[in-house]
Amino acid sequence: SQQGEEDPQALSIQEGENATMNCSYKTSINNLQWYRQNSGRGLVHLILIRSNEREKHSGRLRVTLDTSKKSSSLLITASRAADTASYFCATLRTSYDKVIFGPGTSLSVIP
Amino acid sequence: GAVVSQHPSRVICKSGTSVKIECRSLDFQATTMFWYRQFPKQSLMLMATSNEGSKATYEQGVEKDKFLINHASLTLSTLTVTSAHPEDSSFYICSARILGLAVDTQYFGPGTRLTVL
Repeated sequence: SQQGEEDPQALSIQEGENATMNCSYKTSINNLQWYRQNSGRGLVHLILIRSNEREKHSGRLRVTLDTSKKSSSLLITASRAADTASYFCATLRTSYDKVIFGPGTSLSVIP
Repeated sequence: GAVVSQHPSRVICKSGTSVKIECRSLDFQATTMFWYRQFPKQSLMLMATSNEGSKATYEQGVEKDKFLINHASLTLSTLTVTSAHPEDSSFYICSARILGLAVDTQYFGPGTRLTVL
């Protein structure tokens, strides 16, 4: 099963630009997480935002959460070629539940 | 941070054979482990939830007789793909939840790439 959608499915930008990816989900959640996956590799956990939080920062990453709209966004500022990867949002409904992934956004950063 | 390993990282097998994939939590005990499957250019799809000492819970559409899951200890879960066929070729990723904490996340293994010829 998957939880919602991600938008856009694919994004191509120039190095130095900002990249914004959006995620929508269907159920109430305990938290929402963003992961990065380089081609053919495992997941890298980027950031977790809890349902009572609205915004969180980590380095060049900024995540927002709007529980009323059941949506989240991931902003990567000053993108680099090394940011090229697939990005997935994943939701946890309750503390003891399973993590469900969105379909992902494929980001290409052109040097 | 918590570490989850998978073995093997890559396996190629002939159609009709069975393949076992191990998922281990290296520095913590895991009450629950999860198995995901990822086809090329797609997202991770949850296959099953595995609790130590009990039967796994499979997601809708996942054949439990084909994907055998054993969670024999608090640090090891195994996924056996029985009578593998080329359509089973995929990236299999496990994750684990820490025992005893109301932890709100899971720790993911690096994945196992299965290719069935």
